[in-house]
Amino acid sequence: SQTIHQWPATLVQPVGSPLSLECTVEGTSNPNLYWYRQAAGRGLQLLFYSVGIGQISSEVPQNLSASRPQDRQFILSSKKLLLSDSGFYLCACSTLRNTGELFFGEGSRLTVL
Amino acid sequence: GDSVTQMEGPVTLSEEAFLTINCTYTATGYPSLFWYVQYPGEGLQLLLKATKADDKGSNKGFEATYRKETTSFHLEKGSVQVSDSAVYFCALTPLGTDKLIFGTGTRLQVFP
Repeated sequence: SQTIHQWPATLVQPVGSPLSLECTVEGTSNPNLYWYRQAAGRGLQLLFYSVGIGQISSEVPQNLSASRPQDRQFILSSKKLLLSDSGFYLCACSTLRNTGELFFGEGSRLTVL
Repeated sequence: GDSVTQMEGPVTLSEEAFLTINCTYTATGYPSLFWYVQYPGEGLQLLLKATKADDKGSNKGFEATYRKETTSFHLEKGSVQVSDSAVYFCALTPLGTDKLIFGTGTRLQVFP
């Protein structure tokens, strides 16, 4: 079965600093990959999804970007963090396409000060 | 656009009490419906799902029935345990996609 690794688990960054969160998937190939953000009191918001290497779709305009340099690697980045970027970031994958069944990583908690 | 509405929490119950967490949705066509659970400090995991009207999803004593006439997918459990304390998310995927649309989540706290 698939396993999703996310790191770092916790990150405290100053406003204006860069960001890189990494997600890798094991146990499957050619998955759909997703980045979600869970902000306090706001539930889960889909940020990016990818159906293949180099293919990224953005769901909401924002200060963040995503890249997929390898089939099972998904990276979330920012050049300059904002206070509003604070939140809990979750990487997810789906192996059975179009079923809605996602497997989530354990998340990365980002605090921007 | 498609959306999911959940009852606000927290829901606070004593052990062995009956649980209902309400969820309604707005969608075109026939979405698939899901409940995901997030235990403290962890990511989300799928709890149960239903893919068509009148389907009942069940797992770990939890149940939810896909009601198209009321556009609802309420989560129920007959007797909750302390270990059920978590945040529960109702979600849908529009037909033919993987993009989950989540509700805001409902925190459940069960006390002994």
